[in-house]
Amino acid sequence: GESVGLHLPTLSVQEGDNSIINCAYSNSASDYFIWYKQESGKGPQFIIDIRSNMDKRQGQRVTVLLNKTVKHLSLQIAATQPGDSAVYFCAENGHQAGTALIFGKGTTLSVSS
Amino acid sequence: EAGVAQSPRYKIIEKRQSVAFWCNPISGHATLYWYQQILGQGPKLLIQFQNNGVVDDSQLPKDRFSAERLKGVDSTLKIQPAKLEDSAVYLCASSFGRRALSANEKLFFGSGTQLSVL
Repeated sequence: GESVGLHLPTLSVQEGDNSIINCAYSNSASDYFIWYKQESGKGPQFIIDIRSNMDKRQGQRVTVLLNKTVKHLSLQIAATQPGDSAVYFCAENGHQAGTALIFGKGTTLSVSS
Repeated sequence: EAGVAQSPRYKIIEKRQSVAFWCNPISGHATLYWYQQILGQGPKLLIQFQNNGVVDDSQLPKDRFSAERLKGVDSTLKIQPAKLEDSAVYLCASSFGRRALSANEKLFFGSGTQLSVL
């Protein structure tokens, strides 16, 4: 079945550095992708989304890049802060619009000050 | 705007016992989802409702899990009897979509119920 995977299970950065979290998706029919942040003891929180007709989208301190050729998604966090420490998941909508999101395993981001 | 509400926050039971979780989605959200998140993994869909109808329950272990959303608002998820491998966080999410094939819906999650089966 479809699956969304992440390249690294953990990422450690210094406060103020830029962070890049990567995700490889397997279903070329997916046309909608979301990044979620999950802090300990909480549910996933929406960060940013992107549709397949775009290759870049920017938010506040975050940028998502989509490379459909190699089925790769990345989340860039500028000037990483200790509050950014969490598990980050990418998710895709799979092969059919309207179906629930499919999540990858997550990358744990640790920010040290 | 109030978020997705879930209760209880934590639950500890012994194997073969029954347990139920409750979810109240964001007001006006037609679609409701139950996800299971095992420690160290991403959330996995159990069931998706559109109003009070089931859209997808293909990954729900129907021999022991059941879910309902009778009035198209609140939902309950039940496990009977529980097994050790059911230990996980059960997340409820909702989205606005009012048509079964509406695309690209953001999901908003509750804080989850952490279930420990001993």
